[in-house]
Amino acid sequence: AQSVTQPDIHITVSEGASLELRCNYSYGATPYLFWYVQSPGQGLQLLLKYFSGDTLVQGIKGFEAEFKRSQSSFNLRKPSVHWSDAAEYFCAVVQEYGQNFVFGPGTRLSVLP
Amino acid sequence: DGGITQSPKYLFRKEGQNVTLSCEQNLNHDAMYWYRQDPGQGLRLIYYSQIVNDFQKGDIAEGYSVSREKKESFPLTVTSAQKNPTAFYLCASKVSMRIMNTEAFFGQGTRLTVV
Repeated sequence: AQSVTQPDIHITVSEGASLELRCNYSYGATPYLFWYVQSPGQGLQLLLKYFSGDTLVQGIKGFEAEFKRSQSSFNLRKPSVHWSDAAEYFCAVVQEYGQNFVFGPGTRLSVLP
Repeated sequence: DGGITQSPKYLFRKEGQNVTLSCEQNLNHDAMYWYRQDPGQGLRLIYYSQIVNDFQKGDIAEGYSVSREKKESFPLTVTSAQKNPTAFYLCASKVSMRIMNTEAFFGQGTRLTVV
């Protein structure tokens, strides 16, 4: 079965520190990959997406993600976290034609002042 | 502005009652989705629709029903058969399920509480 894992349920970082959120998927071919962010009580907002080409993609709010085929990973990074980045982050995948999104369980990010 | 509107934002239901959650989009998207979100469980797909007058069950369709009579509207009814309906419900849309390299756009969600 298709699956997306986000190994870290909850991460706490200090404001100004760097951040990396992990995402792994279990597919044979290269899927289409997405990162979304959700603030409490809100809908999901797209941060970035990867379809093909350069494996390092830039997104909104200073986020970037790197696709590594050999590791089946699509980790999200930010060099310096701001207090407003505190939210839940979801990795999502679309693998096959006509298939739905498969979402990971999410990683909750807390930011210390 | 184009987007997805869910209403109401908060909804309270008595046990045994059916309730309908509204989802409207003006993005001219063909595909629409309903997800349920519970703490620590991520998003679970309830129903989806690829096109008007067509919809398919997702992973947790039991106790829910939908309709897709208009392209822009995809209401979700939570029936009395749903044993644990208290949750946060998210509606989403996408240009087309046949176009893989496009993202889903989400509404702001409806929080349903059974009292």
